[in-house]
Amino acid sequence: DQQVKQNSPSLSVQEGRISILNCDYTNSMFDYFLWYKKYPAEGPTFLISISSIKDKNEDGRFTVFLNKSAKHLSLHIVPSQPGDSAVYFCAASGYSSNTGKLIFGQGTTLQVKP
Amino acid sequence: KAGVTQTPRYLIKTRGQQVTLSCSPISGHRSVSWYQQTPGQGLQFLFEYFSETQRNKGNFPGRFSGRQFSNSRSEMNVSTLELGDSALYLCASSPDRSYNEQFFGPGTRLTVL
Repeated sequence: DQQVKQNSPSLSVQEGRISILNCDYTNSMFDYFLWYKKYPAEGPTFLISISSIKDKNEDGRFTVFLNKSAKHLSLHIVPSQPGDSAVYFCAASGYSSNTGKLIFGQGTTLQVKP
Repeated sequence: KAGVTQTPRYLIKTRGQQVTLSCSPISGHRSVSWYQQTPGQGLQFLFEYFSETQRNKGNFPGRFSGRQFSNSRSEMNVSTLELGDSALYLCASSPDRSYNEQFFGPGTRLTVL
């Protein structure tokens, strides 16, 4: 039972355009969501997060949107750069449970073409 | 501030052997979580330690165990290795139990032959 799903295994965009990565979740107890970026042979790097009390959070070129009614979140990267090419994971946690456990999606491989 | 470090980075073992992996969290971080990454299953939670106590455990067999020391460093052990244990093992740390963002180390690539 996959509680966090990233249905697009890969995405290819042109440099300078917007990249939109999507994530769906099934567990309504999740109240904190994170995005990580991962390069080969490295650990995931934290990018941006959002609490369930918000519907948007921005950090530079990265914006995460949360639609609780649809149990859907998305990561927007504007403008996309070749260095953004990596695997992106969304993750969820039940903040109130404080259990230090993140549930990850399967990842989306983003390729940004120069 | 130094990041999360994991040793060794690469390991080759044979079936039936046991292995111990080590993780040093970011200085001041007290929570350490372990994850297994495989191509088929993605990133899966193994367990989490806080103040030397296992607080949460994922759905893995008892062959997978861990511990945390008083300086927050953590080890995980896998006994009676199976071919399916070949994976990237990632350690992540966070400041305390109420902090959601976790910071990952580079991982230990374990290959079981």
